[in-house]
Amino acid sequence: NAGVMQNPRHLVRRRGQEARLRCSPMKGHSHVYWYRQLPEEGLKFMVYLQKENIIDESGMPKERFSAEFPKEGPSILRIQQVVRGDSAAYFCASSPTRDTYEQYFGPGTRLTVT
Amino acid sequence: AQSVSQHNHHVILSEAASLELGCNYSYGGTVNLFWYVQYPGQHLQLLLKYFSGDPLVKGIKGFEAEFIKSKFSFNLRKPSVQWSDTAEYFCAVINSGNTGKLIFGQGTTLQVKP
Repeated sequence: NAGVMQNPRHLVRRRGQEARLRCSPMKGHSHVYWYRQLPEEGLKFMVYLQKENIIDESGMPKERFSAEFPKEGPSILRIQQVVRGDSAAYFCASSPTRDTYEQYFGPGTRLTVT
Repeated sequence: AQSVSQHNHHVILSEAASLELGCNYSYGGTVNLFWYVQYPGQHLQLLLKYFSGDPLVKGIKGFEAEFIKSKFSFNLRKPSVQWSDTAEYFCAVINSGNTGKLIFGQGTTLQVKP
């Protein structure tokens, strides 16, 4: 599955900087999901977006994190003023519709905060 | 809150040994169940899924899983593992009617010795 693209694959940021993670879904997919995997833990849901809409952001930290999926271009997960605890692998997944319940994952972005 | 528990965090087997990875979930309603695999350096790939029907589900690469509703379990099995099965395995669940967010277990790292 080479369809879901994420970049960068690795990102190093100093504390206080901003991190921008990009996700291009598979062709024809209009539903995007972001998950975070902390060290030694499973993936945790963060946010679910459709084009121009946030459908479910129940897993997003209340501060510093935001996500968007514009009409044109990739979905962006933005982390402002990063802290060491934000170091994790961030995975994006896409699906053609919500009802398929089958999500295709990208390779992930490994964020390291120094 | 809905949760998924994988009992084995790290499993080491020799080639040709049989594999069973445990997965239990904590939701009493209708669920859709998945096993994903992540080979070293690669993205998550779907191994198999259960939505309804025959509780014994066959997936790719010789894997199968059995849904036992009374036990809230969805264990993954393979009769004879290969070195190439070395990977991390994640069980996940979506409860019908929610926004499509996957709830993942903590993952099981499988190491197969040649």
